[in-house]
Amino acid sequence: DQQVKQNSPSLSVQEGRISILNCDYTNSMFDYFLWYKKYPAEGPTFLISISSIKDKNEDGRFTVFLNKSAKHLSLHIVPSQPGDSAVYFCAASGYNFNKFYFGSGTKLNVKP
Amino acid sequence: EAQVTQNPRYLITVTGKKLTVTCSQNMNHEYMSWYRQDPGLGLRQIYYSMNVEVTDKGDVPEGYKVSRKEKRNFPLILESPSPNQTSLYFCASFPLGLKGGNEQFFGPGTRLTVL
Repeated sequence: DQQVKQNSPSLSVQEGRISILNCDYTNSMFDYFLWYKKYPAEGPTFLISISSIKDKNEDGRFTVFLNKSAKHLSLHIVPSQPGDSAVYFCAASGYNFNKFYFGSGTKLNVKP
Repeated sequence: EAQVTQNPRYLITVTGKKLTVTCSQNMNHEYMSWYRQDPGLGLRQIYYSMNVEVTDKGDVPEGYKVSRKEKRNFPLILESPSPNQTSLYFCASFPLGLKGGNEQFFGPGTRLTVL
């Protein structure tokens, strides 16, 4: 059973609007959460992360929110740009950073 | 240029024929890992290594072997490939010991087809 779930396989938004990608997890021992972006024919690249001691982390247009009680995190992209069109994976790990668990990904399409 | 390289990028083989996918990183990272990506399942961890001669199973290790004899290399070995190992494989690495930011650097992927 997957410990990290992304229930939306795809999302389409208009350029300039906000994109919100969601991720749920089941293991309360997860200590660190990450978002990766993946273009076709390339490996995933790191986007942003958040520690379980925080509830928000911001980096430019990207903000990750963590709700530990709901075991839910979300990635906000504001404003969305066509170059953001990619597959986004959320991932989680324990405090010792050995095993990593990824969601199934959400394909974001930003329309010009 | 700091990078993770994988070879080959594409491979078509037959059931039972042993193969090795190589992975090398030039960033002196302690941690290296292998993942497979399948539709609807995302990335699943196969094996990981925290340092030379230290390896451990991930979520889906069955049918795979790894070794870590040198810090920079982490080959993935399929002793007797089967069709259910047809997948897209990624190698990744990151430096241990940094405060936060355990973001992994991924290789470009190896598309494996087992007939």
